[in-house]
Amino acid sequence: EAGVTQFPSHSVIEKGQTVTLRCDPISGHDNLYWYRRVMGKEIKFLLHFVKESKQDESGMPNNRFLAERTGGTYSTLKVQPAELEDSGVYFCASSHRTGFYEQYFGPGTRLTVT
Amino acid sequence: KNQVEQSPQSLIILEGKNCTLQCNYTVSPFSNLRWYKQDTGRGPVSLTIMTFSENTKSNGRYTATLDADTKQSSLHITASQLSDSASYICVVSGYSTLTFGKGTMLLVSP
Repeated sequence: EAGVTQFPSHSVIEKGQTVTLRCDPISGHDNLYWYRRVMGKEIKFLLHFVKESKQDESGMPNNRFLAERTGGTYSTLKVQPAELEDSGVYFCASSHRTGFYEQYFGPGTRLTVT
Repeated sequence: KNQVEQSPQSLIILEGKNCTLQCNYTVSPFSNLRWYKQDTGRGPVSLTIMTFSENTKSNGRYTATLDADTKQSSLHITASQLSDSASYICVVSGYSTLTFGKGTMLLVSP
């Protein structure tokens, strides 16, 4: 069974540009989560999809971030326009159900905004 | 404010030795506590998941304990191996979101 995959693994962009990160969850997992770790800080929750619906987007930092999950399969996270403080590692995770169920993490996308 | 504090920040031990990592949390509501291992350049991988009613849970050489009254948890690693070198992250779950600690960076040296 394939794990959670993320693309790209690294991205370097200039301030003001747009970047789109992609996450492919484990097949059959309805729940998809986005997290971010900025340097020196802990991993923080961004948002949670159940199928194609946003269950909780309380962690999204501002309206420059847009997440979508069309069709309830893969998800994209777009940052537009990118700022320096957006640099960090963006993780995606998926789970079969919420609550006690294990979340499986992808390898992350390292985003550097210069 | 929900917080998870881990200690020590980093640790170096000799191969074959044991070690214990600590986690204190102030997360409400509490659903479960998880320990993850994160290798460099990889995503976190779950080691254990415990609910408030569980005091201890083992996964091979990893044993986690939980004291829900004092809101403390520990992860004990027995007979460490070089492959145990990684960041160990304590994560506390509410209803659906996870609150992460900053992790303890463990280096096992030969």
